[in-house]
Amino acid sequence: DGGITQSPKYLFRKEGQNVTLSCEQNLNHDAMYWYRQDPGQGLRLIYYSQIVNDFQKGDIAEGYSVSREKKESFPLTVTSAQKNPTAFYLCASSIWSNYGYTFGSGTRLTVV
Amino acid sequence: KNEVEQSPQNLTAQEGEFITINCSYSVGISALHWLQQHPGGGIVSLFMLSSGKKKHGRLIATINIQEKHSSLHITASHPRDSAVYICAVGRGIQGAQKLVFGQGTRLTINP
Repeated sequence: DGGITQSPKYLFRKEGQNVTLSCEQNLNHDAMYWYRQDPGQGLRLIYYSQIVNDFQKGDIAEGYSVSREKKESFPLTVTSAQKNPTAFYLCASSIWSNYGYTFGSGTRLTVV
Repeated sequence: KNEVEQSPQNLTAQEGEFITINCSYSVGISALHWLQQHPGGGIVSLFMLSSGKKKHGRLIATINIQEKHSSLHITASHPRDSAVYICAVGRGIQGAQKLVFGQGTRLTINP
């Protein structure tokens, strides 16, 4: 079955370390997105990509970086510059033509 | 003021009750999404609406574009419906469909 795979489900890192979250989709979707969810808040857009080798900042891009070398993959790196990285991270993808959205199961990152 | 407001924030009901969750938005949109998030965190897309009404099983979603309002209804609610329901509006016209999310409604259905 097609879908989005995020790994790992839980991730622990020490403060000051960079960490990369994986997102892979086999839906042949054009666009991919990274969102962050904090307790009691709505999801917020970190980065998105419409095509390979192109990506745009979202509302809270500071301290994050992404790449889109393949259509299927959109990894997110949480850098040491991100002041409050502990959060739940969701990857999503969509088709241009009908705006249908598919979400991954998320990665819960805890920085200690 | 948030661009997307949901009400209520929390809702507790008895099994079998008819449930309504509301969503109001203040911006122009290309589509409105209703999503379901279970305790594990993963999100499932329930509906995408640009006009009218959609039904899937016991779930019904409506949207009024002029009033910038949408509702999600659950008929004959069941404890397995307990989850957080999220309204999100799509802002893109073409290409990437960036979403703006409401804060969610936590629904608890008691047996």
